[in-house]
Amino acid sequence: EAQVTQNPRYLITVTGKKLTVTCSQNMNHEYMSWYRQDPGLGLRQIYYSMNVEVTDKGDVPEGYKVSRKEKRNFPLILESPSPNQTSLYFCASSLGTYTGEKLFFGSGTQLSVL
Amino acid sequence: KQEVTQIPAALSVPEGENLVLNCSFTDSAIYNLQWFRQDPGKGLTSLLLIQSSQREQTSGRLNASLDKSSGRSTLYIAASQPGDSATYLCAVSRGSGGYQKVTFGTGTKLQVIP
Repeated sequence: EAQVTQNPRYLITVTGKKLTVTCSQNMNHEYMSWYRQDPGLGLRQIYYSMNVEVTDKGDVPEGYKVSRKEKRNFPLILESPSPNQTSLYFCASSLGTYTGEKLFFGSGTQLSVL
Repeated sequence: KQEVTQIPAALSVPEGENLVLNCSFTDSAIYNLQWFRQDPGKGLTSLLLIQSSQREQTSGRLNASLDKSSGRSTLYIAASQPGDSATYLCAVSRGSGGYQKVTFGTGTKLQVIP
């Protein structure tokens, strides 16, 4: 089954404790992206990747890191989480990069930073 | 900067009613427009994707239209059912530095009352 898999689904942590949210897709998609969703603000893009070893900042990249060492995986790293990073996070992927393709989303990760 | 607006923010209708959800965007230079459905605690599911050269797309009881020149899209849901209750988001895609930049609206929360 074609899917985008995120783990974990729920995560509670404390300020400053490094964490990683994993994202994997099995559709051989080139493009992958991370979003955060906050009430009243909608989905905002954190980082995106156009292919292996090619990543760039989205609209709200501060406090986050990403890497794309393999085509299927695109982890989101919070080196020193803070309470303002409490949010619902989504990973998404699409086949292409340049022509506007359908986006497939993971089920989300609800992060709480205390 | 692209801005996407969805009005109303919430809508409640009796079962069986036909309804229209609205989406407007400020920059008409788009690749495509997608309508998504989001259920509580779950990810986004793509319902319909309309390429910039198209005027509408249909899937079952759903019909989405696109008027690029006026910066508007509508999602028409025929014979609504309680199972249609969810938040509906529209997203527009455009080129930005050679990649697909997607901007989301904040959504319309639909409740269909049995």
